[in-house]
Amino acid sequence: RKEVEQDPGPFNVPEGATVAFNCTYSNSASQSFFWYRQDCRKEPKLLMSVYSSGNEDGRFTAQLNRASQYISLLIRDSKLSDSATYLCVVKHASGGSYIPTFGRGTSLIVHP
Amino acid sequence: DAGVIQSPRHEVTEMGQEVTLRCKPISGHNSLFWYRQTMMRGLELLIYFNNNVPIDDSGMPEDRFSAKMPNASFSTLKIQPSEPRDSAVYFCASSLRGDSYNEQFFGPGTRLTVL
Repeated sequence: RKEVEQDPGPFNVPEGATVAFNCTYSNSASQSFFWYRQDCRKEPKLLMSVYSSGNEDGRFTAQLNRASQYISLLIRDSKLSDSATYLCVVKHASGGSYIPTFGRGTSLIVHP
Repeated sequence: DAGVIQSPRHEVTEMGQEVTLRCKPISGHNSLFWYRQTMMRGLELLIYFNNNVPIDDSGMPEDRFSAKMPNASFSTLKIQPSEPRDSAVYFCASSLRGDSYNEQFFGPGTRLTVL
């Protein structure tokens, strides 16, 4: 079982739709959580961190469920420019450092 | 800000050749990461440096791979000898510190093709 699992999709949605992705992780000692966005043939870039109480940034909402070991990303009012791959990242502590593990990503396609 | 700089951007080589990938992290960042991305396996952490010291190299596939960070502004990832299965995009990333919530900034990647 992979440490961090995501549904690869693609999620194909019309503009204006609300779409949600989940990401599950296996290491119960995981400390911090993130969503990164990766456009085609580009490098990943941080979208948002995920905090225990949940957090929102404009149209994006991230949630953490430690009991069930998953994080989620909700995108409201989807735009064409939201089309990308969304990578879940989980960090766990090891020897005084924090080791990141990336999921394989969920592909989102927003169409007119 | 220059961001993380990687070179070369593209590399095509023949099996058995030595390949050296280079990375210049963002000035002032203390943590540096090398990743490999393929369709089959996604983004895999190869090695992680903190203050120029390798912290975790458990992701390095085998002895053909080696990484160095001789100073705070330069790192190399070397593959010798290269094999076709090494074909991938190799990303370097840096972060200010190795703290739990520090953002990683990625370079544009090196697209390696081994024939």
